[in-house]
Amino acid sequence: DGGITQSPKYLFRKEGQNVTLSCEQNLNHDAMYWYRQDPGQGLRLIYYSQIVNDFQKGDIAEGYSVSREKKESFPLTVTSAQKNPTAFYLCASSILPGSSYGYTFGSGTRLTVV
Amino acid sequence: DQQVKQNSPSLSVQEGRISILNCDYTNSMFDYFLWYKKYPAEGPTFLISISSIKDKNEDGRFTVFLNKSAKHLSLHIVPSQPGDSAVYFCAASDRGSRLTFGEGTQLTVNP
Repeated sequence: DGGITQSPKYLFRKEGQNVTLSCEQNLNHDAMYWYRQDPGQGLRLIYYSQIVNDFQKGDIAEGYSVSREKKESFPLTVTSAQKNPTAFYLCASSILPGSSYGYTFGSGTRLTVV
Repeated sequence: DQQVKQNSPSLSVQEGRISILNCDYTNSMFDYFLWYKKYPAEGPTFLISISSIKDKNEDGRFTVFLNKSAKHLSLHIVPSQPGDSAVYFCAASDRGSRLTFGEGTQLTVNP
């Protein structure tokens, strides 16, 4: 079955540490996205990529970094510069950059800073 | 600048009744609108969409209405079922650009 796999489902990080969240898709989608969900704030876009080796900042990119070396993979690194990293992180993909085709979401990673 | 707003954080209805979830937008260039449903600790799943050239789209128990002049869309669920209890996000796009999401509305359907 095609889909998006995010791992791990739960992640704990000590303050000051970088951590990388994995996102892999086998849908052959060109575009991939990272969102953050906080209570009462909906889904906020962190980074997105429309093609391999290219990506753009979203609305809240500070303290995060990404790479897109392969079409199937779009890992997100939460750096120590991110002041409030505890959140639920969602990865998504779409067949083309045009979102009219809709997004397919992964099941999310809950990151907790301890 | 919140271009897509869902002003009701929560909504509670009785099983069998109608659920109406509302969404307002400010960007008149938005031309495609979608609703997603999200259960706790899971990713959102696509529910229903509507193009700006239409004012209604129906899929089973779910109907989306678009009022372009008021920049307002709504999702109707009839009849509501306990399994419909989830967070509902509306989203919009501008000529194929990335989606902009609202804050979400928590729907609770009571048996």
